[in-house]
Amino acid sequence: QITLKESGPALVKPTETLTLTCTISGFSLSTSGVGVGWIRQPPGKALEWLTLIYWDDDKRYSPSLKSRLTVTKDTSKKQVVLTMINMDPVDTATYYCALFDPSGSFDYWGQGTLVTVSS
Amino acid sequence: QSVLTQPPSASGTPGQRVTISCSGSNSNIGSTFVYWYQQFPGTTPKLLIYKNDQLASGVPDRFSGSKSGTSGSLAISGLRSEDEANYYCAAWDDSLSGPVFGGGTKLTVL
Repeated sequence: QITLKESGPALVKPTETLTLTCTISGFSLSTSGVGVGWIRQPPGKALEWLTLIYWDDDKRYSPSLKSRLTVTKDTSKKQVVLTMINMDPVDTATYYCALFDPSGSFDYWGQGTLVTVSS
Repeated sequence: QSVLTQPPSASGTPGQRVTISCSGSNSNIGSTFVYWYQQFPGTTPKLLIYKNDQLASGVPDRFSGSKSGTSGSLAISGLRSEDEANYYCAAWDDSLSGPVFGGGTKLTVL
């Protein structure tokens, strides 16, 4: 059974750095073609892709947020870590990690974690 | 402002057929596949359609997808009250080197 679960702080202050961890099970981060993505969704708004990391450590970032994002993976720990610097209230959103299938779809999603940016 | 354009809302009565459009460009839908996700309020998005017209596992065949040029379309036939949800299209964008989503369409079953 494939599952993903996000963890991290629910509240961060403006200018702080956000670190979220996605813990996976049921698949391997070293399987050819596999990727894990991060997507966020502000309250009442649309989905926004942030970043993707592939099995071979290839990384892709949303151009609009590239300067603020870093994604890494630890295959042995079965974790993918998202770091976003200089957080702002507009970054308040539910952050999801999801399995990116070689066919191009986000097949499985974590439950999401709501991050609020406020002083 | 989302890269893919969807109507913000759609509606229909039970039993009707409803379509939701998704407009893109040559760098995304025009050169690759369209995907559709369903999201109920307060829940996680779920894959409905992949590679333009392929039903994801467990999705009833009342749902169908299509693509023409730089636009995709999701159709729901035999509309049911439980289909009331938000629907998002997505595609890979070659210019951005990543996936892009539409702004979402809220489907209301009257």
